[in-house]
Amino acid sequence: NAGVTQTPKFQVLKTGQSMTLQCAQDMNHEYMSWYRQDPGMGLRLIHYSVGAGITDQGEVPNGYNVSRSTTEDFPLRLLSAAPSQTSVYFCASMGRLAGSQETQYFGPGTRLLVL
Amino acid sequence: DAKTTQPPSMDCAEGRAANLPCNHSTISGNEYVYWYRQIHSQGPQYIIHGLKNNETNEMASLIITEDRKSSTLILPHATLRDTAVYYCIVRVAAGGGADGLTFGKGTHLIIQP
Repeated sequence: NAGVTQTPKFQVLKTGQSMTLQCAQDMNHEYMSWYRQDPGMGLRLIHYSVGAGITDQGEVPNGYNVSRSTTEDFPLRLLSAAPSQTSVYFCASMGRLAGSQETQYFGPGTRLLVL
Repeated sequence: DAKTTQPPSMDCAEGRAANLPCNHSTISGNEYVYWYRQIHSQGPQYIIHGLKNNETNEMASLIITEDRKSSTLILPHATLRDTAVYYCIVRVAAGGGADGLTFGKGTHLIIQP
């Protein structure tokens, strides 16, 4: 299994530009989520999905859109990028360890700079 | 979710056991203790979790006090690659839902050669 993959690894945008951060997982997990991490801070939840066709807002959803058309993919869209969205973005999926509680698996992150 | 308190930083010599403490005095009976770590510039990585009993896996051991108000993560033979920020998280389940996983400041563990 590749686990959780994210593309691109790095991106520079100008204010007002739009882009989509890609996230995919091959573990057949129903639950997926997006977090952002600002320097010296913990992770904050942006959006999450409990299954294909179902999404909901997290702590900091403004300026971001998501969709979940398949179990595998959970893209994050920035419609009009702002400097305040400069951050590192992590995608995660949640699944059950063998005979145990569920736990979250994180992707490697996308580093976004908005000028 | 119960609040956790961790020291901001710790040093440990390579090859020695690293013991990372976490206080969670307001933990509820149905809340688990989870540990994650984040190596510089990488995504958080699950380490271990437990409810009441001590737990051990290939990465670490988790010791939870009898009153469950504190716990200790033990890395038995720390290597330089264990240098990371370690997060102690207390919650009912793994993190699904609107509140997700709450990562505080964690403990920055530095393994010294």
